Amino acid sequence: DAKTTQPTSMDCAEGRAANLPCNHSTISGNEYVYWYRQIHSQGPQYIIHGLKNNETNEMASLIITEDRKSSTLILPHATLRDTAVYYCIVRPANDYKLSFGAGTTVTVRA
Amino acid sequence: NAGVTQTPKFQVLKTGQSMTLQCAQDMNHEYMSWYRQDPGMGLRLIHYSVGAGITDQGEVPNGYNVSRSTTEDFPLRLLSAAPSQTSVYFCASRKGGRYEQYFGPGTRLTVT
Repeated sequence: DAKTTQPTSMDCAEGRAANLPCNHSTISGNEYVYWYRQIHSQGPQYIIHGLKNNETNEMASLIITEDRKSSTLILPHATLRDTAVYYCIVRPANDYKLSFGAGTTVTVRA
Repeated sequence: NAGVTQTPKFQVLKTGQSMTLQCAQDMNHEYMSWYRQDPGMGLRLIHYSVGAGITDQGEVPNGYNVSRSTTEDFPLRLLSAAPSQTSVYFCASRKGGRYEQYFGPGTRLTVT
């Protein structure tokens, strides 16, 4: 069963914010939301994670709705190097395994 | 730190051949894992390890063996290669108590 639903693809203008949605309506109380990205031909790269509160780091911000059924990853100023496949993953804190779906292919255009 | 390293970067095998994909990390991470990625698809977990001497199966373990004799190394063995094992293989590691996994650059394997 797919735990998350993401759009297949989206475009973004360079220098603008990129907002990537993710639905996880069956998320459990002990499950975290993780975001990874994979630039072409490279290994996945961790971006950010959160449980309930919004989170921000040097790469991105994560906004989680109050009911936790959806979230949005925000890249504040997208650059061409942000072109990648972005994966939204839900898993319990004590579960080591990550299950990657198809993700969202984000293309940043000049 | 070199992070997570994988060798070889590319490999071509004939059906029935065996080989070992190497993975090493120099971050003293307890957790290591192997994933495969087929064209246009997400990653699928093959095997993982929570520490030296401890391994377990993931989603797609058939046809692969692993062992973890040291903290640093986690080799993946293909026992008898099949065309269905043509894929890109990624190794990853994570430190206990931390959430983020670090991935290697991948090994691109073709089985003819």
